[in-house]
Amino acid sequence: DVKVTQSSRYLVKRTGEKVFLECVQDMDHENMFWYRQDPGLGLRLIYFSYDVKMKEKGDIPEGYSVSREKKERFSLILESASTNQTSMYLCASRLWGGGRPTTTDTQYFGPGTRLTVL
Amino acid sequence: DQQVKQNSPSLSVQEGRISILNCDYTNSMFDYFLWYKKYPAEGPTFLISISSIKDKNEDGRFTVFLNKSAKHLSLHIVPSQPGDSAVYFCAASDVETSGSRLTFGEGTQLTVNP
Repeated sequence: DVKVTQSSRYLVKRTGEKVFLECVQDMDHENMFWYRQDPGLGLRLIYFSYDVKMKEKGDIPEGYSVSREKKERFSLILESASTNQTSMYLCASRLWGGGRPTTTDTQYFGPGTRLTVL
Repeated sequence: DQQVKQNSPSLSVQEGRISILNCDYTNSMFDYFLWYKKYPAEGPTFLISISSIKDKNEDGRFTVFLNKSAKHLSLHIVPSQPGDSAVYFCAASDVETSGSRLTFGEGTQLTVNP
């Protein structure tokens, strides 16, 4: 079974703090993703990485950065947290088969981190 | 712009009846569609998918229908069970230009009443 773990389930930070969200997967997947989930907006892609040291912007990268130094770990960084970054953050990984997603080669999600910025 | 839309934020059905969740998309390049289910305090889990070369895919109680001309897909759950109560996300993929990326809809909260 694919396992994607996120470092914290709940996090409370102050405005202006630097925040690190960590994600680790244990299945040697090339692709990793960071989303945020907000009511009425669904899942929106922040950043993704096709492989180590590679990163690409998603649909809402502003205010975020990422780091992928090892294949199994993908970190999301909020350089200076703001209240509008209060959200549920979801990490996902996928074994890149080079083609369309399949039943077994799709995105697997972690349990999420509920971040509150005060 | 929202390329994948789920216009119903919530749906309530009786146990044993059919649940129909709908999804519309605007990007004609999307060629693969997926449904994910999400329980509270858990990450989304893959449920069922369909390629654009098909119009129907069935897996047990779950069937996804695709109408390419209308850019519409639906998920049918028959019979619905209380354990199906969750948020359902529709997602779309365009492998040629976007590789592994998925574009998600807003989600529909399904409640199945005993």
